[in-house]
Amino acid sequence: RKEVEQDPGPFNVPEGATVAFNCTYSNSASQSFFWYRQDCRKEPKLLMSVYSSGNEDGRFTAQLNRASQYISLLIRDSKLSDSATYLCVVNVPGGSYIPTFGRGTSLIVHP
Amino acid sequence: NAGVTQTPKFQVLKTGQSMTLQCAQDMNHEYMSWYRQDPGMGLRLIHYSVGAGITDQGEVPNGYNVSRSTTEDFPLRLLSAAPSQTSVYFCASRPSGISYEQYFGPGTRLTVT
Repeated sequence: RKEVEQDPGPFNVPEGATVAFNCTYSNSASQSFFWYRQDCRKEPKLLMSVYSSGNEDGRFTAQLNRASQYISLLIRDSKLSDSATYLCVVNVPGGSYIPTFGRGTSLIVHP
Repeated sequence: NAGVTQTPKFQVLKTGQSMTLQCAQDMNHEYMSWYRQDPGMGLRLIHYSVGAGITDQGEVPNGYNVSRSTTEDFPLRLLSAAPSQTSVYFCASRPSGISYEQYFGPGTRLTVT
């Protein structure tokens, strides 16, 4: 079982839709959780950190559920420019805490 | 500041050749790492370093060497290139402390023929 798992999609949604992605992690001792965005053939960039109490940044909301070991990302009012791959990152214990990536979820927003 | 820089952007090697991918950061970050990204595989950690003089292996270290003689630089050496090493390579850095985000370089696209 991979340490961090995501549904690869693609999620194909119309503009204005609300879409949600989940990411599960296997190590209950994991610390620090992030969502990154990656555009085609570019480097990943931080979208938002995920806090225990949940957090929101404009149209984006991130949640952490430690009991069930998953994090989620909700995008409201999708824009064409939201089309990208969304990467879940979990800091997994091991010597030093190692940022471990899921394989990414592809989102395509169409007119 | 420039952030994380990587050179070259593109490289084609023949099987058996060696080369070094360069990575530098000007943010005084202690933690640096190298990933490779293949279609459908996500980012896989090759090697990482928690500070100058300290390196450790990640998930896929075979065929690669690293060193960290300064805080700024973290080169990745391919010892004897193989077609299986065709990939996009990203270098990343972050401050020490696990709650910080990583900053990525623009990547090096390597093809081994």
